[in-house]
Amino acid sequence: KQEVTQIPAALSVPEGENLVLNCSFTDSAIYNLQWFRQDPGKGLTSLLLIQSSQREQTSGRLNASLDKSSGRSTLYIAASQPGDSATYLCAVNRETSGSRLTFGEGTQLTVNP
Amino acid sequence: NAGVTQTPKFRILKIGQSMTLQCAQDMNHNYMYWYRQDPGMGLKLIYYSVGAGITDKGEVPNGYNVSRSTTEDFPLRLELAAPSQTSVYFCASSWGAFSYEQYFGPGTRLTVT
Repeated sequence: KQEVTQIPAALSVPEGENLVLNCSFTDSAIYNLQWFRQDPGKGLTSLLLIQSSQREQTSGRLNASLDKSSGRSTLYIAASQPGDSATYLCAVNRETSGSRLTFGEGTQLTVNP
Repeated sequence: NAGVTQTPKFRILKIGQSMTLQCAQDMNHNYMYWYRQDPGMGLKLIYYSVGAGITDKGEVPNGYNVSRSTTEDFPLRLELAAPSQTSVYFCASSWGAFSYEQYFGPGTRLTVT
């Protein structure tokens, strides 16, 4: 059974700091991994999707990497801003079950001005 | 283009009552999904559909039913509501399986008392 773990559960940083969020998964047989942002009381917004054949994806100040063999992904946020404060979720799309996402529990990020 | 819409936003049910959570998408996506998110947890898949007339169970289907009569709509039915069904429910859609990102609605917060 696929399990997804995100560390740390919560993170508080000063504005301007570069930071890394971690995601690990137990079964390396995945099609892709997706990073989401969730604001309080809101739905999920897709940030980046990395295919299993890719090593990384970039969008603006965000960079996500994937090491499928070791079951790890990282989300790098450069020059953090207070507006980045949210919960960040990673989810893996399991190869054996098509487009069915398994989610981690998320990292709650607070960027202090 | 409204994306994925969900109604209602909030609902309080008494134990044993039934209700239907509505979900619609206007992106002509084939795949649609229902997830639940308990406090401090990641999302768990309840049911999904790969097209009109085709549905399948996810990780936590007990106590729920779905139907998919059109491409646009994917309602979730709760029969005989129980306190364990208190959660936030998210609907999502994607163009296809595997390589495609999922787009989420804003969620329905349900309390069963």
